Formats: sequence, C-alpha cells, structure tokens
Amino acid sequence: NAGVTQTPKFQVLKTGQSMTLQCAQDMNHNSMYWYRQDPGMGLRLIYYSASEGTTDKGEVPNGYNVSRLNKREFSLRLESAAPSQTSVYFCASSAGSDGETQYFGPGTRLLVL
Amino acid sequence: AQSVTQPDIHITVSEGASLELRCNYSYGATPYLFWYVQSPGQGLQLLLKYFSGDTLVQGIKGFEAEFKRSQSSFNLRKPSVHWSDAAEYFCAVGSNSGYALNFGKGTSLLVTP
Repeated sequence: NAGVTQTPKFQVLKTGQSMTLQCAQDMNHNSMYWYRQDPGMGLRLIYYSASEGTTDKGEVPNGYNVSRLNKREFSLRLESAAPSQTSVYFCASSAGSDGETQYFGPGTRLLVL
Repeated sequence: AQSVTQPDIHITVSEGASLELRCNYSYGATPYLFWYVQSPGQGLQLLLKYFSGDTLVQGIKGFEAEFKRSQSSFNLRKPSVHWSDAAEYFCAVGSNSGYALNFGKGTSLLVTP
C-alpha cells in the first residue's frame, strides 16, 4: 500500500499564481487533513474533512480552499499565491474517530516568489 | 482549547545516553496524546499514543512515554539513544477540529558521537 501520497513534491510559484496540491490515501480512511509546517511553528491545521462530503476550516484557512473529491482524494488550492504561503504542506488521513492515528504524506515544499 | 507545549527547542545528547523530551498539555478532559518523529525532508511517523489505560506507553524504536495527569505531562523517553534518532520530535493532542491534532512546536534532537 502507498498510504498517503502527495503531488507535487516541490513547486515554485510567482506571487499571484494559482495551484492545486493533490492528496490521495488508499487506507479507506474517513477523515483527511491539510497542515502547513513553518520553522519554529510546528504543524498548523489549514482545513480538514471529517468525512466524505464535508470540509471545515482549521486554524489558518485564509488564502486556501479545499475539495474532498471522493473518499480517497482531498485537494488544497491556492487561488492567488503570496510569499507568506511559502511552506511545507502535509496531507494526513485517519479512520475518523477519537484517538485514531493520523498517517502523513511526504509533504509538498512550496516556494512563492 | 487543547494545546501542547514543548519547552525545549533543541536538545543535544551523546550516543548511548538516555533521553527525555518534555511535553505539557492543556486539556479539559482526558486527552488523546501522540508523539511523532520527523526525519529531515520526510513526513511524520507515529512513535506512540495514549488515550486510556496504562499510563506508560511503549512505542516503536525503543521509545516510551508516561502520561501524568497531575503534571499535565506526556514526556518521551529512551534509555539509550542511537545516532539514527536524530530528528524533529512533535507532541500532539486531539483538537476540537474533527479528529485533527494540535501540535507542539517541536524539539530538534542532535546526537553526538
């Protein structure tokens, strides 16, 4: 099993450009999440999808949109990239109940110039 | 809101020495607590978790953690550190955002010969 996969691995954007980060899981998990990781800040939740068909804002949702395309896929879109969105983005999934382990993808490194 | 604090940003230990990484949490009820490890350029891997039962939890790679409700702590320990343990370690607690996690800011472990 691949677990959680993310594409692309690395991306450079210019300010104002848009892009979509893709995430897919093959563990039949109900819940999926997008986090960003910045130096000295740990991981912060951008958006989450507790179950197929639902999405909700996390701690830092401004400048992002998400789509839960189906049970496997959860994409993150930057409509107009800003330098403040330079970060490492992690997708994760879990079965969808308290105490369940979250499984993380390898991350997407995004640089916005 | 649930939160975790990792007081130590960086820790340096000699190979073969014992290790303790600190984590303090803020939570109203019984928390779900996790320790994750991140090797350079990689995603996060679960070391261990606590959600009920025995307060001493065993994990992978020889790590253990002890839940102490009276001290609001969930410290990670290893009796003898190996060079391959050099990584970033994150403590996390269950959040109010579905089943997402609130992460601490991380502790960077350096292992010297």
